[in-house]
Amino acid sequence: QVQLVQSGSELKKPGASVKVSCKASGYIFTSFAMNWVRQAPGQGPEWMGRINTNTGNPTYAQGFTGRFVFSLDTSVSTTYLQIYNLKAEDSAVYYCAILAAAGLSIDYWGQGTLVTVSS
Amino acid sequence: QSALTQPASVSGSPGQSITISCTGSSSDVGGYNYVSWYQQHPGEAPKFMIYEVSNRPSGVSNRFSGSKSGNTASLTISGLQPEDEADYYCGSYTSSSTVVFGGGTKLTVL
Repeated sequence: QVQLVQSGSELKKPGASVKVSCKASGYIFTSFAMNWVRQAPGQGPEWMGRINTNTGNPTYAQGFTGRFVFSLDTSVSTTYLQIYNLKAEDSAVYYCAILAAAGLSIDYWGQGTLVTVSS
Repeated sequence: QSALTQPASVSGSPGQSITISCTGSSSDVGGYNYVSWYQQHPGEAPKFMIYEVSNRPSGVSNRFSGSKSGNTASLTISGLQPEDEADYYCGSYTSSSTVVFGGGTKLTVL
């Protein structure tokens, strides 16, 4: 069965960087783009963008350019979200997901990674 | 891309039916049939409930149904049960080849 397993919670200081991983299993990794979704405390999900798992080409949503980088390692079926120069407002749960709203009939989410930015 | 508009909260008694709306534009909800609905309990990842406006994934109760009219999609839950109390979000494909989510609706089962 499809599984997306993310790395554990992170506590970082402002200005630091963080790298969140998402390991996929149970399907052919290059079959679907991987999306990243942010959910701030008490807020709805926010689509950050996606990475084409065939080409490695990323697409970033407005508001997620510059400090946010998507990457992948197809040899281990893993995608990564790196955030540079962390700010307090980056504190949120970050999910990797295969999204039906992206034009598919399937939908899978990782368990989420809590990133807390605090001095 | 602005978030899709959902009511902040809805409520109903056990056994009743409720409907949650999700309003967008012709560039997202109205232009495509890639509207999904999610249920989220506190501390959990969103759970996939509806795809392509009205289709239920395997394992989702037939008490959940979806529809769309113009730029507004709707999720109806019939025969409300206590475990339906959760946050609900809609999501849609957009003309920019992106995805947009709704702000969420808190369902309270009285």
